[in-house]
Amino acid sequence: GAGVSQSPRYKVAKRGQDVALRCDPISGHVSLFWYQQALGQGPEFLTYFQNEAQLDKSGLPSDRFFAERPEGSVSTLKIQRTQQEDSAVYLCASSRRVDQPQHFGDGTRLSIL
Amino acid sequence: AQTVTQSQPEMSVQEAETVTLSCTYDTSESDYYLFWYKQPPSRQMILVIRQEAYKQQNATENRFSVNFQKAAKSFSLKISDSQLGDAAMYFCAYQKGATSGTYKYIFGTGTRLKVLA
Repeated sequence: GAGVSQSPRYKVAKRGQDVALRCDPISGHVSLFWYQQALGQGPEFLTYFQNEAQLDKSGLPSDRFFAERPEGSVSTLKIQRTQQEDSAVYLCASSRRVDQPQHFGDGTRLSIL
Repeated sequence: AQTVTQSQPEMSVQEAETVTLSCTYDTSESDYYLFWYKQPPSRQMILVIRQEAYKQQNATENRFSVNFQKAAKSFSLKISDSQLGDAAMYFCAYQKGATSGTYKYIFGTGTRLKVLA
């Protein structure tokens, strides 16, 4: 596609529910990143994939957060047993190589009630 | 650990005037990249400009230029001939060099730029 596509654009869930956020990177981009952006803050790194390999997950805040990219293309960020502090915008970015600039999607705004 | 600081939460500029946004960073690395990204209300982060630390020459992209002071760890963005479409949140970001094994961006807290007609 022309750009990084994320879905859904908005997600509202009740506390305790599981959610799944999808990222479709630019075709041919081997690197994929997930960031969490709290209201009024800069994005914070969650995890990074090189093709299907998850090479860095140091930013995942707890074991409730899980990300996968099984075929080296589409990625899913899953949050189990959501809590109110999980409310944020989740941004996905991809790059052709790790030393190339990252291209960002529009993000998914997650609201936990 | 690397940190990025943007000390100006908000800036205003008259249309057609020039404005400078500040960014400082802290790192012990010698190989890294610095970026300015723009985030309009639509939320999509758009790359404005990129600077490689090993390059002494300041990067420029049309009306956008940077003042990169490596020794001072300063990386400011100058926007010339400001336009209404420049209004957005601007984020400064740091990335370790490709040899480091970690390629995540570290962002500052952002500067909201308002452009006055």
